[in-house]
Amino acid sequence: EAGVTQSPTHLIKTRGQQATLRCSPISGHTSVYWYQQALGLGLQFLLWYDEGEERNRGNFPPRFSGRQFPNYSSELNVNALELEDSALYLCASSFSGQQAFFGQGTRLTVV
Amino acid sequence: QQPVQSPQAVILREGEDAVINCSSSKALYSVHWYRQKHGEAPVFLMILLKGGEQKGHEKISASFNEKKQQSSLYLTASQLSYSGTYFCGTYYKNDYKLSFGAGTTVTVRA
Repeated sequence: EAGVTQSPTHLIKTRGQQATLRCSPISGHTSVYWYQQALGLGLQFLLWYDEGEERNRGNFPPRFSGRQFPNYSSELNVNALELEDSALYLCASSFSGQQAFFGQGTRLTVV
Repeated sequence: QQPVQSPQAVILREGEDAVINCSSSKALYSVHWYRQKHGEAPVFLMILLKGGEQKGHEKISASFNEKKQQSSLYLTASQLSYSGTYFCGTYYKNDYKLSFGAGTTVTVRA
């Protein structure tokens, strides 16, 4: 069975541009979580989607947004990129509060 | 709201034991433990769903004290492969937002 897949693996953008990151959850998982992990730091909660709805968001500005599609895949959009947005963005999926599994992440570099 | 992990870092020699704690001020539904090695994604270790439950993964085990809203991860007879950053993740009652502690970096030396 396929695990959580994220694309792209690496992304280089210029300050002010927009970035779109994608996540495909494990089959049967309806929840998708997005986290930001800056170099050497912990997992900062960004967004949680379940059954197509945004259920919760972390303490991030509105330029971080996303959505979940009917097939439960998800997209994270970051507008007006800033240098501090450079980080590893991790997606995790789960079903009904059970264990969550992570994708390999997207390394976003803003120059 | 994030769970609080302690200690921030621990250095062990092979064969030594360590305990990592994860506590919450809110009622917990479950606690999840993950290990992340440098440059990799976090890997799921175990989930504890109810108070008093203990789970094991190799020589790594965990307990969940529902009264104290606390979980502890026990690294027994540590091996070099145990090195990494350990995160506890929590689901709170009536809220399935998965929040993580700041992590505990474990370094096991030969």
